[in-house]
Amino acid sequence: AQSVTQLDSQVPVFEEAPVELRCNYSSSVSVYLFWYVQYPNQGLQLLLKYLSGSTLVKGINGFEAEFNKSQTSFHLRKPSVHISDTAEYFCAQINSGGSNYKLTFGKGTLLTVNP
Amino acid sequence: DGGITQSPKYLFRKEGQNVTLSCEQNLNHDAMYWYRQDPGQGLRLIYYSQIVNDFQKGDIAEGYSVSREKKESFPLTVTSAQKNPTAFYLCASRSRGTLQRPQHFGDGTRLSIL
Repeated sequence: AQSVTQLDSQVPVFEEAPVELRCNYSSSVSVYLFWYVQYPNQGLQLLLKYLSGSTLVKGINGFEAEFNKSQTSFHLRKPSVHISDTAEYFCAQINSGGSNYKLTFGKGTLLTVNP
Repeated sequence: DGGITQSPKYLFRKEGQNVTLSCEQNLNHDAMYWYRQDPGQGLRLIYYSQIVNDFQKGDIAEGYSVSREKKESFPLTVTSAQKNPTAFYLCASRSRGTLQRPQHFGDGTRLSIL
């Protein structure tokens, strides 16, 4: 079974500091990875996705992630965070078998940006 | 603007009562999904549907039921058999085909027990 592990449940940082949110995925023949962001009492919004090609993926709001096959990781980074980046972040992997495109989510990382 | 509408935003259930959560999309998406979110547990798949009149159980389907009579609508019923229904419920949809098309999410319904 697929599993996605987000290594930190909470990450507090100061405004304008860099941040890295860590994610490890299940190794598979085909790997499709996503990062979503959730603001309080809202749904999930797609930040970025890796389907193939360049291992460095750029997303919205200045975030980027690097696909590392040897370490089965897909860590999310931002060089300088803002207060408005405070939210919960979810890493997700698509099941590579079948055509139903079911997402398996990590348990989430709560990013808190302090002034 | 196209999107997914979930209603109501907050819902209260009495013991032994069935309640139905609404999910409507005007994105012309074929596939729709229901997730349950609990603090610290991420999202878990309850049911999904890839076409009208067809749906499959997800990882935690017990105590829930769905229907898919129209492409735009995928209501979720939380039955009295679901002993711990308090959670945040999210509906999602996507267009079938390539993986380039991600799932889009509604803003959720928070269900609580009275």
